[in-house]
Amino acid sequence: QSVLTQPPSASGTPGQRVTISCSGSSSNIGSHSIYWYQHLPGTAPRLVIYESNQRPSGVPDRFSGSKSGTSASLAISGLRSEDEADYYCSTWDDSLNAGVFGGGTKVTVL
Amino acid sequence: EVQLVEAGGGLVQPGGSLRLSCAASGFSFSGYWMHWVRQAPGEGLVWVSHINGDGSTTNYAGSVKGRFTISRDNAKNTVYLQMNSLGAEDTALYYCSRDPYSASAYWGQGTLVTVSS
Repeated sequence: QSVLTQPPSASGTPGQRVTISCSGSSSNIGSHSIYWYQHLPGTAPRLVIYESNQRPSGVPDRFSGSKSGTSASLAISGLRSEDEADYYCSTWDDSLNAGVFGGGTKVTVL
Repeated sequence: EVQLVEAGGGLVQPGGSLRLSCAASGFSFSGYWMHWVRQAPGEGLVWVSHINGDGSTTNYAGSVKGRFTISRDNAKNTVYLQMNSLGAEDTALYYCSRDPYSASAYWGQGTLVTVSS
């Protein structure tokens, strides 16, 4: 059981908007920024959002992040086939003194 | 160009040991925290350990504490993960990452560890 809770799957048709939630607690999301990773198994994870709502250079502005209290979310607008991947939220946990990840959300483009 | 190249994975018997390495290039290695993250087959990403720039601070996930040791050699631009008392639950693809909790996060391609008799 992951410390951060994500839905296992999300889907949409091309052009639609998909939102992925990430729920935690005061010792993790409530105290630290959230980082979102796009991942195809067997490859290097790619950072798509840092500090909860910032996009690294090269990441399309279709990706956006937000955080409120002990929850965060990643939105992908104008969904494209290349967005099909697993998405993970991650942050630091002060109680565990360890990094924590969500269980991952598989995004499918229908 | 930033590069992180993991090595040292392989097949090991239960109870055995393995040392992973991650060779870094293209950046000022000693200035960054380095992390290990793993992914078991069919499972999600799980944080394993991290070490600060001069090697004086380390932390571990509860599942590996007392069995795994992270270290680094800044002269060789390399971070290591010594894994002892390995069990089937340690079977995973192990990723090396440069400060995944920052805008400058960067990951390697991973090295596969299989624990089986």
